[in-house]
Amino acid sequence: DTEVTQTPKHLVMGMTNKKSLKCEQHMGHRAMYWYKQKAKKPPELMFVYSYEKLSINESVPSRFSPECPNSSLLNLHLHALQPEDSALYLCASSQVFHEQFFGPGTRLTVL
Amino acid sequence: EDKVVQSPLSLVVHEGDTVTLNCSYEVTNFRSLLWYKQEKKAPTFLFMLTSSGIEKKSGRLSSILDKKELFSILNITATQTGDSAVYLCAVGMEYGNKLVFGAGTILRVKS
Repeated sequence: DTEVTQTPKHLVMGMTNKKSLKCEQHMGHRAMYWYKQKAKKPPELMFVYSYEKLSINESVPSRFSPECPNSSLLNLHLHALQPEDSALYLCASSQVFHEQFFGPGTRLTVL
Repeated sequence: EDKVVQSPLSLVVHEGDTVTLNCSYEVTNFRSLLWYKQEKKAPTFLFMLTSSGIEKKSGRLSSILDKKELFSILNITATQTGDSAVYLCAVGMEYGNKLVFGAGTILRVKS
């Protein structure tokens, strides 16, 4: 299996909702990442997990809460989001210090 | 502050043309330089470069890194309409598995 999968593909939520984004890889990668990408902009790093431990948090607001239950899974829990949080959320994985492989993304709309 | 600058921001060429995309960087802890192609969805990995002067090739695409002058180029020969995409350059940092992306070059190949 050589891909990163993400669910759901699309998500529409209100500002009071709680939802979760999921990411899975079976390539044996030990680093996993969450990125946020706005239209016509490059991906912006949010979080990095190395060996299931959070190693980088790029000063992301607490309404975004990452979780890495095991080496294959990465979740992003969303709560009380704002309309400006609407974006494409990309998950990626890699061997440590190697090229990152991206999933197809979740298109999030916050109403 | 770590910085990755790509040029041009966009270009339009005709099928069969050769294009050169540029990426320069100023970062504190350089480890690698990566090129990605992004169409409608997630970035797809093209190359990772760590050593100066060693060209990497994949079909019509090639790339080289100059660590003294702090830049890389991505060449695409005999362009096709399927090459139309955003090409992203990213620098991998020495610590933390972090990638810093440039703004991207939008390439449009006309038939």
